[in-house]
Amino acid sequence: EDQVTQSPEALRLQEGESSSLNCSYTVSGLRGLFWYRQDPGKGPEFLFTLYSAGEEKEKERLKATLTKKESFLHITAPKPEDSATYLCAVHSNYQLIWGAGTKLIIKP
Amino acid sequence: NAGVTQTPKFQVLKTGQSMTLQCAQDMNHNSMYWYRQDPGMGLRLIYYSASEGTTDKGEVPNGYNVSRLNKREFSLRLESAAPSQTSVYFCASGLAGVVEQYFGPGTRLTVT
Repeated sequence: EDQVTQSPEALRLQEGESSSLNCSYTVSGLRGLFWYRQDPGKGPEFLFTLYSAGEEKEKERLKATLTKKESFLHITAPKPEDSATYLCAVHSNYQLIWGAGTKLIIKP
Repeated sequence: NAGVTQTPKFQVLKTGQSMTLQCAQDMNHNSMYWYRQDPGMGLRLIYYSASEGTTDKGEVPNGYNVSRLNKREFSLRLESAAPSQTSVYFCASGLAGVVEQYFGPGTRLTVT
């Protein structure tokens, strides 16, 4: 059964304290892995798509990486405005399978 | 461009009542999707429409119906609401195939 698991469920960091979020997956034939950001009361906002192991994408303080079994979202020197829930999804059988998300809180 | 719009933003129903959630996109996307989001769970696909004139069931279609009215609009109907359908509902759209999807602001539905 296709499955996506994100860890940790919640992460509290001080401003400037770098860390990583994990997305592990089991799918039969990965066709793409997606990262989204979701702010409270809003819809998810697309961040990155990764297609093959070894691929990396960057956007401001965020960098996403992909291996054969998991993806990491690295956050470098985060700011309070980076606080949000980060969602991971994988493409399987023409649908996206979503993880439950990691709630990231950055304290000033 | 407004992107993806959804109405209403909030709704309270009593068990057994019916309602339709409306969704429209102005990005000329072929594919549209309806998801529900519950606490502690990932987004779950209810129905999707790969192109105008087609609809398909997702992971959790029971209790729902959809209509792809035209390329822009995709509605979700609850014929007889149940408390288990209390959730936040998101509409999304995207280009053909599973590429990045663009989401609306959501409808928060409570069924009592």
